[in-house]
Amino acid sequence: TQLLEQSPQFLSIQEGENLTVYCNSSSVFSSLQWYRQEPGEGPVLLVTVVTGGEVKKLKRLTFQFGDARKDSSLHITAAQPGDTGLYLCAGARGTASKLTFGTGTRLQVTL
Amino acid sequence: DTAVSQTPKYLVTQMGNDKSIKCEQNLGHDTMYWYKQDSKKFLKIMFSYNNKELIINETVPNRFSPKSPDKAHLNLHINSLELGDSAVYFCASSQGRAASQPQHFGDGTRLSIL
Repeated sequence: TQLLEQSPQFLSIQEGENLTVYCNSSSVFSSLQWYRQEPGEGPVLLVTVVTGGEVKKLKRLTFQFGDARKDSSLHITAAQPGDTGLYLCAGARGTASKLTFGTGTRLQVTL
Repeated sequence: DTAVSQTPKYLVTQMGNDKSIKCEQNLGHDTMYWYKQDSKKFLKIMFSYNNKELIINETVPNRFSPKSPDKAHLNLHINSLELGDSAVYFCASSQGRAASQPQHFGDGTRLSIL
């Protein structure tokens, strides 16, 4: 059983469209991170959210942590080809040292 | 300039062989990790070291043995390689033991078992 389920699994959209990626769990997380991974490279951290209901913006990307800290979403406005990649959410529970990664969402943005 | 570097980038070998992957970070971090990413892109923690002390040891076959000679290096040795070991292995580092700390990943080692 995956602790962090992401949806959709795959997403192919055209440049300029908006999209939302979801990261859901039945467990509470003390913090949640979003990473983007491009082919042949390792994941790169985009943002960390720690407070229930928190919203963070990174240019055209908006991240939200659910009020109960069990879920998160990533919204991209006016997607560009440079947004193409694998998006991974990852949660930390309490003071544990282990980060649990989500199942991933593969995004492709075409011209 | 590379913050977390892994070698080799590609490793193709036969079943039953023993191989090692090396990782070095120049970020001054005290915690390093090994992850395995399978063909479905699921990323799973294998091991973590903090100041050369093993702090995470997930359910991984004994054939996998990590070694941290100092806090800037974490190597992974794999004995008697099996077909199921084919995957991309990522090294990462962070400052502090807390999982909430940002992790910096290497570019991965793609291991293919023939």
